[in-house]
Amino acid sequence: DTGVSQDPRHKITKRGQNVTFRCDPISEHNRLYWYRQTLGQGPEFLTYFQNEAQLEKSRLLSDRFSAERPKGSFSTLEIQRTEQGDSAMYLCASSLTVGADTQYFGPGTRLTVL
Amino acid sequence: AQKVTQAQTEISVVEKEDVTLDCVYETRDTTYYLFWYKQPPSGELVFLIRRNSFDEQNEISGRYSWNFQKSTSSFNFTITASQVVDSAVYFCASEGIIQGAQKLVFGQGTRLTINP
Repeated sequence: DTGVSQDPRHKITKRGQNVTFRCDPISEHNRLYWYRQTLGQGPEFLTYFQNEAQLEKSRLLSDRFSAERPKGSFSTLEIQRTEQGDSAMYLCASSLTVGADTQYFGPGTRLTVL
Repeated sequence: AQKVTQAQTEISVVEKEDVTLDCVYETRDTTYYLFWYKQPPSGELVFLIRRNSFDEQNEISGRYSWNFQKSTSSFNFTITASQVVDSAVYFCASEGIIQGAQKLVFGQGTRLTINP
């Protein structure tokens, strides 16, 4: 069984550009989560999906951020008009819907906004 | 709201020493879960353990052991006979299953360095 995968692993972009990240969860995991981790901090929750439904969004997720999971499988996280403050590691996790089941994380996408 | 505090920012020990990482949590949920994750330099968060709020039994897995005490809201992690490969950032996290979504709330992490 393969783990959670994320693409790309690294992204360098200029301020004002749009970027999109992809996450492929563990197969048959119907919950998918996005977190953001800045240097020296723990991950912070951004949003999560159960199947294709986006059930919660953090206040950290400004209007420039949008996440989708159109067919309940992979998910994309798009950041429009990137700012230097968006530089961070973006982590994806997945879990089964069994109470508070364990979340398994992908390797992350490190975003650097110049 | 949930909160997790890892007061130790960095710990450095010599190989083969025992080391304990502290974790204190706050929650108003009556049912909740606690986790430890390891983040090596590669960046991926590796799951280590999950405990639910009804099970206060300590757990041992090889050189790793966990001490869960509801009376002090602590969930401490001990590595016995540490090895260089244990060097990583360790995160404690909590998850409520009644209030809020199924999201993890992480502490700030403890950077553990094991010196040869």
